[in-house]
Amino acid sequence: NAGVTQTPKFQVLKTGQSMTLQCAQDMNHEYMSWYRQDPGMGLRLIHYSVGAGITDQGEVPNGYNVSRSTTEDFPLRLLSAAPSQTSVYFCASSFGQGAEKLFFGSGTQLSVL
Amino acid sequence: KNQVEQSPQSLIILEGKNCTLQCNYTVSPFSNLRWYKQDTGRGPVSLTIMTFSENTKSNGRYTATLDADTKQSSLHITASQLSDSASYICVVSARSAGKSTFGDGTTLTVKP
Repeated sequence: NAGVTQTPKFQVLKTGQSMTLQCAQDMNHEYMSWYRQDPGMGLRLIHYSVGAGITDQGEVPNGYNVSRSTTEDFPLRLLSAAPSQTSVYFCASSFGQGAEKLFFGSGTQLSVL
Repeated sequence: KNQVEQSPQSLIILEGKNCTLQCNYTVSPFSNLRWYKQDTGRGPVSLTIMTFSENTKSNGRYTATLDADTKQSSLHITASQLSDSASYICVVSARSAGKSTFGDGTTLTVKP
């Protein structure tokens, strides 16, 4: 039982490049979500999903896309990276609708030059 | 607007001492309040979850309290250890699905 797995752990992009951050969980959780964490700030919700085929926007969705084709996977796509997207990204999942105990991945450190 | 305010922003204590971290919230209608511990370079890990009817919850040396009337919570750490050095995050959920409100965290440093 691996929990929540995020890849890659580190990534450097040039402005304008696109990439996908991967997130997978093996706990059969319905709820999955993506957060960004900037220095000195709290976690901010980017997008979330309450089940396969269902996604919704969080607090800071601009510049990011998500899809949920399976219960296990919830990738986050950066369409055209900008320096303002330099951050640490966390994926999390939970049993219920996001108001229960969240299980977090280990994070992806992204730098956009 | 739902908000979660944590204090202090940072705290330094000596190993073996106790400390208390504060969390005030304005989230409504209230569903639950959770405390997470985040070690440097790692994802947050859940410490406690409290619903409206619970006013105390313990997890080893960590004890969380909740006053739903004043919308305040505290996390008390007893006999601190070097491994307690981390950021402690308060998260409050409303009864609507999908979204929780995160505090900015308190950074605790335990020195020998």
